[in-house]
Amino acid sequence: DIQMTQSPSLLSASVGDRVTLNCKASQNIYKNLAWYQQKLGEAPKLLIYNANSLQTDIPSRFSGSGSGTDFTLTISSLQPEDVATYFCQQFYSGNTFGAGTELELK
Amino acid sequence: EVQLVESGGGLVQPGRSLKLSCAASGFTFSNYGMAWVRQAPTKGLEWVATISYDGSSTYYRDSVKGRFTISRDNAKTTLYLQMDSLRSEDTATYYCARHPIYNNWGWFAYWGQGTLVTVSS
Repeated sequence: DIQMTQSPSLLSASVGDRVTLNCKASQNIYKNLAWYQQKLGEAPKLLIYNANSLQTDIPSRFSGSGSGTDFTLTISSLQPEDVATYFCQQFYSGNTFGAGTELELK
Repeated sequence: EVQLVESGGGLVQPGRSLKLSCAASGFTFSNYGMAWVRQAPTKGLEWVATISYDGSSTYYRDSVKGRFTISRDNAKTTLYLQMDSLRSEDTATYYCARHPIYNNWGWFAYWGQGTLVTVSS
């Protein structure tokens, strides 16, 4: 099974900061990766698919990059409404999610 | 507007059964593979099962194989998850989610609000 490792598990940042979240696959998954945002008490929301494609209606401050085993979700200028937990998902072989990165305001 | 509305969750004793439903609307249900994804309290996301757009193919995570059955009724635009021989580790919020069009794999662009299943004596 493909394992997904996210880092850090907790990230504190200030409004306006550029924020980078990481996701590492245990084997090559090419660009078969998605990113989700989950706010407390809500269902996950798709942000990015195919590693770098922005989902419709998602603000352009969110971007994804990477291929193979190493991937990054970047928020170019952190907003208060971005406080959430972020999950990556590989869909190259089955479906596996990372454990998540909790993003909080400093 | 795409809507996925789960129902059927609740408290159930270990070893018993429960059937979840997910009513879909706002899109052509029969064109999309569908899945169940669960989340244990304060934990991460875990894919459970996927069914192809026409119901001909099903896929399960190892820990639920032989106990859970995913199915769909395209005429009723409804997805189901029959859960038998439930265990305490099945306790979670269960979400139904939609795969990309005509795919049995891939990202989940739409999710329901979830239904909580608690397995406890």
